[in-house]
Amino acid sequence: GAVVSQHPSRVICKSGTSVKIECRSLDFQATTMFWYRQFPKQSLMLMATSNEGSKATYEQGVEKDKFLINHASLTLSTLTVTSAHPEDSSFYICSARDRGFTNEKLFFGSGTQLSVL
Amino acid sequence: GQNIDQPTEMTATEGAIVQINCTYQTSGFNGLFWYQQHAGEAPTFLSYNVLDGLEEKGRFSSFLSRSKGYSYLLLKELQMKDSASYLCAFLTGANNLFFGTGTRLTVIP
Repeated sequence: GAVVSQHPSRVICKSGTSVKIECRSLDFQATTMFWYRQFPKQSLMLMATSNEGSKATYEQGVEKDKFLINHASLTLSTLTVTSAHPEDSSFYICSARDRGFTNEKLFFGSGTQLSVL
Repeated sequence: GQNIDQPTEMTATEGAIVQINCTYQTSGFNGLFWYQQHAGEAPTFLSYNVLDGLEEKGRFSSFLSRSKGYSYLLLKELQMKDSASYLCAFLTGANNLFFGTGTRLTVIP
């Protein structure tokens, strides 16, 4: 089946540094990728939707200058948390939709646990 | 607005049947998903309902009533490994997934 590779799986960084998370669709073309954030015991909250070759669409309350999303190819999207602070510590998950666009064909990466000291 | 309600926690016995309910409110609706999520891991797809009725897939079944804004996930022959969070999510009119907070199921011997 289709696989979405996300890495790193875990990152610990100092406050003020930037962290890049990669999400790759390994055997399908993902025209749309989604980035979610999940705080402990809370639901996955959609941060942004990225379409290949265009600017990402951010959900209300998500700072686009802080969470930089790049979707330069049909198989790769990156999320960069700039100047990370302890409140950015969270579980970040990407998901990708198969280009064939069947609604249930939405595949998740394995997630990245970010801890900002 | 958009909202999902599902119980926060449930406990059931190994071998038993458990039903996890989900009610939702949204103006745009393109289907209802159930995912299983273990702590610190990504969600795993369980089911997708777009029409009313019951979808059965092995030990898992999912039901949808669009008129009532209601769905449930039915787990049969519970196993210890079924202990996890179960997330109800609907696909919005913009084809984004809106998740509930999940139901933490604990299966006891």
